[in-house]
Formats: sequence, structure tokens, C-alpha cells
Amino acid sequence: ETGVTQSPTHLIKTRGQQVTLRCSSQSGHNTVSWYQQALGQGPQFIFQYYREEENGRGNFPPRFSGLQFPNYSSELNVNALELDDSALYLCASSPGQGSEDTQYFGPGTRLTVL
Amino acid sequence: AQSVAQPEDQVNVAEGNPLTVKCTYSVSGNPYLFWYVQYPNRGLQFLLKYITGDNLVKGSYGFEAEFNKSQTSFHLKKPSALVSDSALYFCAFSSGGSYIPTFGRGTSLIVHP
Repeated sequence: ETGVTQSPTHLIKTRGQQVTLRCSSQSGHNTVSWYQQALGQGPQFIFQYYREEENGRGNFPPRFSGLQFPNYSSELNVNALELDDSALYLCASSPGQGSEDTQYFGPGTRLTVL
Repeated sequence: AQSVAQPEDQVNVAEGNPLTVKCTYSVSGNPYLFWYVQYPNRGLQFLLKYITGDNLVKGSYGFEAEFNKSQTSFHLKKPSALVSDSALYFCAFSSGGSYIPTFGRGTSLIVHP
């Protein structure tokens, strides 16, 4: 098991609502990335934070936003939820922002949008 | 566009037999290649990575992978499969120009007793 934790484990929302997902990074890691994994697909990169600054973003609309806090914990916020947002959301921390750095994943939050 | 491909959605193997899960890449420059495993209802776990140096990389749980530049492949292998190896396996890459890892679609490995 990695030291990355996520909450909540499961979440059910209705279309149009807003949701906040939380992640606690592994000790000593200053970089956190968020991924969306739809059923039967590989993880899709949403964005990455390095020392509280957004460091890169994938092909996701602005209603997906995030924060990283001084203790390197992180939040993913999604506004105006759509049915297609139903997925497993994964948080991963790494010791740096280098290309060679291994990502350490949390167990994920399963979001269902009705 | 740069990508990795996992050509098999599912691989079936008998316990005790060798297993191979395939990955090919299309990346300019020198890629960094990774394998991760995902058990049901769990996050991904790191298995191994190729950065540079020896083309044969050894990782967790007896897995290994060989970086083959001429064939642009990075196949995952294990000499003797266990039923507990049954899971979803993801190949991923990043490169100097993009430190964000990009994942393949995944291959479901089923090891039969």
C-alpha cells in the first residue's frame, strides 16, 4: 500500500451539482496529480500541482479545478456535474515533477452522477 | 500524437506458465516507460520503470520488462504466473518534453488455476 489516501471512497451526486474530492499525499512528496478513470479505460490526466502551483493540465474543461495546500494535501473540485463525469478519480503523489518520477496512487474515489 | 498501445484487451494464462503482456510505444525522443497494476476497486500500484541503461528492468512481484528500441516495445513478463497476478495492467510513458504520464487502455490478465 502507498501512503496516499483519498476521501470519500464513494460519492453519488446529481447532474448540475458540485463535488470536492480530497487527497493526502505520501510523506515527503511535493507533487500531486489527479486522474479520471472511466470504466474500461486507462487513467486520463486532469492536472498536476507542484508546491501549490498548477504545473500542467490535461484536456479537461475549466469546471475541473484543484488546489494543493502547504502540507501538500490536495482537492479536486468539479462544478456543474455531468453524467459523463461518473468515473473513478485517482490521486497520485510523487517526490518531484520529473518525467522519471514514479506516481504513487491512492485507492480512488468512485463518483456516480445521476 | 505520442502514445502507448496495449494491443490485447485480455490475456489468459495457466498458473505456472510464463506470461507476457504487450506494450508498444510511439514517442519521439527517449521515453520513460512504466508498468502499473490495478486490482479490483483499487488504485494503481507501480511495478517497474525504464529510464535509461540496462534494457532489462526487474520490478516488484517477480515481474520484468524489456525495453526494445528497434521494435518500440516494452513488454511485461513473468516466468511463472500466479493466480494472484490476475489484475488489470497498464503501460504508461512520459518523456522529457512531457513529464505527465500517459496511460494505455489496460490489459486484463487472467491466470487460471
